Amino acid sequence: QQKVQQSPESLIVPEGGMASLNCTFSDRNSQYFWWYRQHSGEGPKALMSIFSNGDKKEGRFTAHLNKASLHVSLHIKDSQPSDSALYFCAVSLSGSFNKLTFGAGTRLAVCP
Amino acid sequence: GPKVLQIPSHQIIDMGQMVTLNCDPVSNHLYFYWYKQILGQQMEFLVNFYNGKVMEKSKLFKDQFSVERPDGSYFTLKIQPTALEDSAVYFCASSLAGGVQNTLYFGAGTRLSVL
Repeated sequence: QQKVQQSPESLIVPEGGMASLNCTFSDRNSQYFWWYRQHSGEGPKALMSIFSNGDKKEGRFTAHLNKASLHVSLHIKDSQPSDSALYFCAVSLSGSFNKLTFGAGTRLAVCP
Repeated sequence: GPKVLQIPSHQIIDMGQMVTLNCDPVSNHLYFYWYKQILGQQMEFLVNFYNGKVMEKSKLFKDQFSVERPDGSYFTLKIQPTALEDSAVYFCASSLAGGVQNTLYFGAGTRLSVL
């Protein structure tokens, strides 16, 4: 059964700093990888996805995937107080109808 | 952006009663999902639903659970009868299509408390 683990559990970065979030998965048939962000009182909202090894950049956010080492990461450049939220890594297997396995989340606090 | 609405936001019921959780998915979406999150734990897949049928379900989707979307109205999760271990936040999601590249849009969740 797929296991998705995130680290660290919580992270504090100064405004303008770089936040780095990590995620490991266990199933080598994993195909698509998502980062979701959840602000208090809201549902998770998709930030970005990645499926090929390497980096994918969208604005201040960069995802990195290394399937061989079963690792995906999210880096947030120039962090803003509005980035303070719970971040989830979610993984889907090939052949599944978009059935996601979520990690437990990393709580990010960006301090002015 | 696209919004998924969940009603109610909080439901309190006595063990053994029936409960129906309602979800208003994004209007043109065709695939629907329920996820369960017990306090302090990660969100877990329950079921996905397309064209009036359950496509996949997890072992958490017990026999007491059922889903339906009659005539394009709310997508519902019914639990009958409820048990104490059903206390959790239930998140509904929808997507335009079923492939793994399609974004899931989540509602804000319904917190179910079974007493």
